[in-house]
Amino acid sequence: EPEVTQTPSHQVTQMGQEVILRCVPISNHLYFYWYRQILGQKVEFLVSFYNNEISEKSEIFDDQFSVERPDGSNFTLKIRSTKLEDSAMYFCASSSKETQYFGPGTRLLVL
Amino acid sequence: AQSVTQLGSHVSVSEGALVLLRCNYSSSVPPYLFWYVQYPNQGLQLLLKYTSAATLVKGINGFEAEFKKSETSFHLTKPSAHMSDAAEYFCAVSVYSNYQLIWGAGTKLIIKP
Repeated sequence: EPEVTQTPSHQVTQMGQEVILRCVPISNHLYFYWYRQILGQKVEFLVSFYNNEISEKSEIFDDQFSVERPDGSNFTLKIRSTKLEDSAMYFCASSSKETQYFGPGTRLLVL
Repeated sequence: AQSVTQLGSHVSVSEGALVLLRCNYSSSVPPYLFWYVQYPNQGLQLLLKYTSAATLVKGINGFEAEFKKSETSFHLTKPSAHMSDAAEYFCAVSVYSNYQLIWGAGTKLIIKP
């Protein structure tokens, strides 16, 4: 059964460093998403991507964040200059319509 | 704007007892509704979904949910709890546009032996 994959599973970085989180969505899906979950809090929407551009983004998704689909399979989330409060679990999801399928997440720890 | 409210951050039931996790939503247009489960240190797994077909929806692991428009609810039930059901359960809503999910705060289900 096709699934969404994410790498790395864990990332530790120093404050101010750039990180790139990678996702491989399910191959025939058209919509791609990033969400985050700060420890003990609810899941929060960051951004959605369709037809090679951002279709919607939340207030969290400021200029420090960017997304890219560099080739036909990968979907990346870049945080340019990480802050302590960026520590969270980041989930990628993809869908062909309304039902989103999630990857296992990347746990980001900013020190 | 859409929103989701899950009543009870923690629900504790005995093994074999009925599980009822409550979810109420707010949406100005017909919604899509979802329940996802998150086991400790794992990702989000789709349990079931409502997409305007049958109002009683069956999912994996014996769970089901009923869409009640008049009550704006989508409560999750399972007749008999199993120890392996211990996890956190999230209700989410989306509408047709980019299908962005709006999440409830989650309910941690605790199963007592």
